[in-house]
Amino acid sequence: EAGVAQSPRYKIIEKRQSVAFWCNPISGHATLYWYQQILGQGPKLLIQFQNNGVVDDSQLPKDRFSAERLKGVDSTLKIQPAKLEDSAVYLCASSAHPGQGNEKLFFGSGTQLSVL
Amino acid sequence: AQSVSQHNHHVILSEAASLELGCNYSYGGTVNLFWYVQYPGQHLQLLLKYFSGDPLVKGIKGFEAEFIKSKFSFNLRKPSVQWSDTAEYFCAVNATAGNKLTFGGGTRVLVKP
Repeated sequence: EAGVAQSPRYKIIEKRQSVAFWCNPISGHATLYWYQQILGQGPKLLIQFQNNGVVDDSQLPKDRFSAERLKGVDSTLKIQPAKLEDSAVYLCASSAHPGQGNEKLFFGSGTQLSVL
Repeated sequence: AQSVSQHNHHVILSEAASLELGCNYSYGGTVNLFWYVQYPGQHLQLLLKYFSGDPLVKGIKGFEAEFIKSKFSFNLRKPSVQWSDTAEYFCAVNATAGNKLTFGGGTRVLVKP
């Protein structure tokens, strides 16, 4: 089966610019996650969608980050304006069986963002 | 709030050596526990998970982990590593009352041939 698709693979921008990342989860997966992984740290959850609704966005810096999953399938994550500390790998993941807490997450390859 | 600690940031060992990676979590309720692995150039993938039953869990590629509730630990082990086990390993916890997976900081393992 096709995995979680993310694009672009790499992005370099200057601070205060805007950037958007795209994710297409595994077909049929209801739950979609965006994680931020700063170099040397583990992934940190930014936002979790259940179909097209937000389940958890408590760690999303809402003054500059936004995400949407309008049709309950693919999703975009936007940063506007970017700061130096946003340099990280942005990982998208999906899972098939929401709500149980024991489901396996399938991760994409990530988008590596460098903010100069 | 739940948190996960992985005490070793880097581990270097030779092929055939035994591996044990420590993982401790802080959360008072019932949890689901995971180990994810990221091989060089690849995406994160599930190695094994525990959510109930036998606290000794066996995963892929000869890995196992033991959940010790009294110690809030979920250590990962492999009796004899191979060069192909070179990767970064992440412990993660998800409270069953919620649905937010929290990762530890990761341990980079380098296996010398």
